Amino acid sequence: NAGVTQTPKFRVLKTGQSMTLLCAQDMNHEYMYWYRQDPGMGLRLIHYSVGEGTTAKGEVPDGYNVSRLKKQNFLLGLESAAPSQTSVYFCASSLTLAREQFFGPGTRLTVL
Amino acid sequence: GQSLEQPSEVTAVEGAIVQINCTYQTSGFYGLSWYQQHDGGAPTFLSYNALDGLEETGRFSSFLSRSDSYGYLLLQELQMKDSASYFCAVRDRGDSWGKLQFGAGTQVVVTP
Repeated sequence: NAGVTQTPKFRVLKTGQSMTLLCAQDMNHEYMYWYRQDPGMGLRLIHYSVGEGTTAKGEVPDGYNVSRLKKQNFLLGLESAAPSQTSVYFCASSLTLAREQFFGPGTRLTVL
Repeated sequence: GQSLEQPSEVTAVEGAIVQINCTYQTSGFYGLSWYQQHDGGAPTFLSYNALDGLEETGRFSSFLSRSDSYGYLLLQELQMKDSASYFCAVRDRGDSWGKLQFGAGTQVVVTP
């Protein structure tokens, strides 16, 4: 099992450009999440999904959109990148609502 | 809303014991989780407490007191590889989507 994978691993964007981050999991998990992590801070939830075709806003959703067309994939889109979106983005998945979330390796995004 | 407090940094020598405290405020409490994150890596799950008391997993133990809105992670027989950030996270009972709120993290530095 690959677990949770994310592509790309690194990306540099110019202000105003758009991009999509892909998250894939092979554990048949219902729940998937996108977080961002800034230096010296914990993880903040951007958007999440409780099943195929469903998404919901988290703590910091502005400037991002998501889609979950297939159970195993969760896409995070930046419509018009801003320097404030420079961060490390982690995707996670879980089998149930409770306990353990499995995280991908992260995507390091820099917006110039 | 939710808020979590944990110390920003703890330093200890190899072989020592470290306790990382976490206090939280939630509108309704469901459980307290702990995650470990090495520099440049992804968070990994360590433990989960839904009920009062101590949970032991090898060298790591986690404690919860719901009446005090308090928990801690105990790291015993510290090893150099335990140098990492440790995050507590809570899930609000009022939140049916299973979202986790993370603390800002405690950097544990293990010295020889």
